[in-house]
Amino acid sequence: AQSVTQLDSQVPVFEEAPVELRCNYSSSVSVYLFWYVQYPNQGLQLLLKYLSGSTLVKGINGFEAEFNKSQTSFHLRKPSVHISDTAEYFCAVSHGGNAGNMLTFGGGTRLMVKP
Amino acid sequence: GAVVSQHPSWVICKSGTSVKIECRSLDFQATTMFWYRQFPKQSLMLMATSNEGSKATYEQGVEKDKFLINHASLTLSTLTVTSAHPEDSSFYICSAYRGEQYFGPGTRLTVT
Repeated sequence: AQSVTQLDSQVPVFEEAPVELRCNYSSSVSVYLFWYVQYPNQGLQLLLKYLSGSTLVKGINGFEAEFNKSQTSFHLRKPSVHISDTAEYFCAVSHGGNAGNMLTFGGGTRLMVKP
Repeated sequence: GAVVSQHPSWVICKSGTSVKIECRSLDFQATTMFWYRQFPKQSLMLMATSNEGSKATYEQGVEKDKFLINHASLTLSTLTVTSAHPEDSSFYICSAYRGEQYFGPGTRLTVT
């Protein structure tokens, strides 16, 4: 079985400051990793994903994440946040032959960007 | 490309009635669609996996007779909440799979 832990339920940060949202996973097999963003009353939008290759993955809106197999982590970072980045962020993992099939989500992290 | 829609976006129904939520992949075909439920300030919980032309696979603890799922075509899956009760009030999100999951905008159900 696999699980995803997002260590911070809320992360307050000032505008233009850097931010890191933490995600750790547990799985006995190789995994595919995803970060999604959810704005209020909306569905999920894919920020970035790690399938294979380079462990540093760049996504939309200036976000990036680094896959660390030894630490089983996939932390999301942005060097300078904007007010518009205020949203809920979900880390997710899937495994097996089909990337993105059968996702397991973390509990979510609410990013609150303050002026 | 890869747009998924849901209808309605929000619905209010009375206790004991049934409500149907549609999930459509607008510009691609999806043999597999997923239905999730999200309570306020919580994560998404997978309810069921819907495969075109076959019965849905429900996750443990999800009542299949209460949450009826039909995947009649490669672009449409429906979730019907039967005999809805206030505890069924939630945000329901679908996704369609084509190499990765593409999520719909969600449907907020309020049962009074």
